[in-house]
Parts: sequence; C-alpha cells; structure tokens
Amino acid sequence: KQEVTQIPAALSVPEGENLVLNCSFTDSAIYNLQWFRQDPGKGLTSLLLIQSSQREQTSGRLNASLDKSSGRSTLYIAASQPGDSATYLCAVGTSGYSTLTFGKGTMLLVSP
Amino acid sequence: ETGVTQTPRHLVMGMTNKKSLKCEQHLGHNAMYWYKQSAKKPLELMFVYNFKEQTENNSVPSRFSPECPNSSHLFLHLHTLQPEDSALYLCASSQGRGIYNEQFFGPGTRLTVL
Repeated sequence: KQEVTQIPAALSVPEGENLVLNCSFTDSAIYNLQWFRQDPGKGLTSLLLIQSSQREQTSGRLNASLDKSSGRSTLYIAASQPGDSATYLCAVGTSGYSTLTFGKGTMLLVSP
Repeated sequence: ETGVTQTPRHLVMGMTNKKSLKCEQHLGHNAMYWYKQSAKKPLELMFVYNFKEQTENNSVPSRFSPECPNSSHLFLHLHTLQPEDSALYLCASSQGRGIYNEQFFGPGTRLTVL
C-alpha cells in the first residue's frame, strides 16, 4: 500500500527565507508526483507535476525535485513571501493504482 | 465560468435532512472525482466517474449517493448524515481517468452536520 508522508507538518519562517518542504513515499513504482497548494477552506491549486522520468520541475520561485529510488521529493521555495502562506500537499500517482495518494500536507506560515 | 466550480460553498444540515452538492467542470474533461478532506487526515477518494460511468466507489457509506448525468456535471446526494461526516468535500476533474492525467480541483463545499 502506497503511503505518503510530509515533513514538517507545520513550518513558520520570516519573509525572504528560502525553504524546503519534504515528501516521502513508500512504493517507488510511481508514475508521477504532484505538488498542490491549498489556502484555508479552499480547493487545491496544482503547482508542479513531475513525471517519473524527470528529476525536477521549476515554476517561478518554486522548484520540485524527485528521487524515485529513495522515495523522496522536495519542494524548494525561494525568497518566501507572506502570500506563500498556505498548506502544501504532495500527491503520488503509483503504477497499479487507479488514483492519487495524498500526504497530510505541510502548513506554511511566512511572516512579514 | 472557468475551471471547476462547486455549489454551495458552505452547507449546514441536520442529521435527518436531505441535501445535494453540485460540481461542474468547464474544461472538457471526461473524468470527475469526489474527495473528502477531514481535519488532520489526507484527502480520501470517494467516487470516480469516467464518461458518466462510475468506475470506483471507495467503500463509501450508502448515505452518500453520487450522480453523474453527463461528463460536465457531478452531484453528491446526502441523506441521514452523521456529525463525523462534517468535512470539506472537493470535486476534481481530469482529461482521462487514473494517475496519468493531471487533476484539477474545485474550491470545495464545507459541510457541517449538526
């Protein structure tokens, strides 16, 4: 059974810091991995989708990396801003499964 | 309207009420999903529809009844719910079913069962 773990559960940083969010998964036979952002009480916004053949994806200040063999992905946020405050979810598409497996998320607070 | 929309955004209901959640996608997708998000738990997949046909029911209690009249609309009919059913219910859609297709989410319906 695929299990997805996100560490830390919560993170508070001052504005301007670079930070890393971690996602690990137990079954390395994945097809893709997706990072989402969720604002309080709102739906999910897709940030980055990494296919299993890729090592990383970048969008603006966000960079996501994938290491299938070790079962890990990281989301790097450069020069954090208060507007980055949200919960970040990692979801894995695993071969043989019909849908995504989600982690519980990391709640990020960036203070001015 | 663009993307995936959900109505209502908030719903409070008693345990004996009957209500329905609505989801509409404007992306031309063929697959639609219902998820439940409870506090401090990962998103739980409830139902999957592909071309209007239900392809997955993730052991959801019968007090939740989905309906998909066409590829653009998805409903979740609620009846005799329990307080533990209070959660954020999210709808999503994708071009095709399964892990190979990126899913796009709606804003969710915050449900409170009294």
